[in-house]
Amino acid sequence: RKEVEQDPGPFNVPEGATVAFNCTYSNSASQSFFWYRQDCRKEPKLLMSVYSSGNEDGRFTAQLNRASQYISLLIRDSKLSDSATYLCVVKENTGNQFYFGTGTSLTVIP
Amino acid sequence: DVKVTQSSRYLVKRTGEKVFLECVQDMDHENMFWYRQDPGLGLRLIYFSYDVKMKEKGDIPEGYSVSREKKERFSLILESASTNQTSMYLCASRLRGAGELFFGEGSRLTVL
Repeated sequence: RKEVEQDPGPFNVPEGATVAFNCTYSNSASQSFFWYRQDCRKEPKLLMSVYSSGNEDGRFTAQLNRASQYISLLIRDSKLSDSATYLCVVKENTGNQFYFGTGTSLTVIP
Repeated sequence: DVKVTQSSRYLVKRTGEKVFLECVQDMDHENMFWYRQDPGLGLRLIYFSYDVKMKEKGDIPEGYSVSREKKERFSLILESASTNQTSMYLCASRLRGAGELFFGEGSRLTVL
């Protein structure tokens, strides 16, 4: 079983739409959670960390559900520039291991 | 601004060649990582280093070695490149005990 699982998509949505991605993780001892964005043929860049209480950054909202072991990312009012692959990343409580989902592909259509 | 620099963006090598991938960070981070990224498999950890001269194997260390002689530099070595090592290689660094990974731009290696 994979440590982190994501729906690979692709998600094709019109501009202005709201889209949500989910990610599940297998280790209940996981401590830190992140969403990264990766553009085609580029490196992953941090989009936002995910906090227990949930957090928002402009059009982006991240939530954590420890009981069900999943995290989510909601994008409101999608822009063309949001087209990318979104990676779910989980770090366990001990050690230095980060576990990556395979990514969810989003294309925002004009 | 945070900067992780990988020496080569694109490399083409032949089977059996020795390959060096260099990574330098300017943030005084203790932790450095080498990942490879393949379609459908995501990022997989090859090696990481938690400080100078310290290293630990990741999930897929076979066929690779690493060197961390200075804090800012972490090198990945393919002793004898094989075609199944064709991949995107990503270096990352992180402040010990804190926060996120910062990635370099990646090195796309093709082994013929």
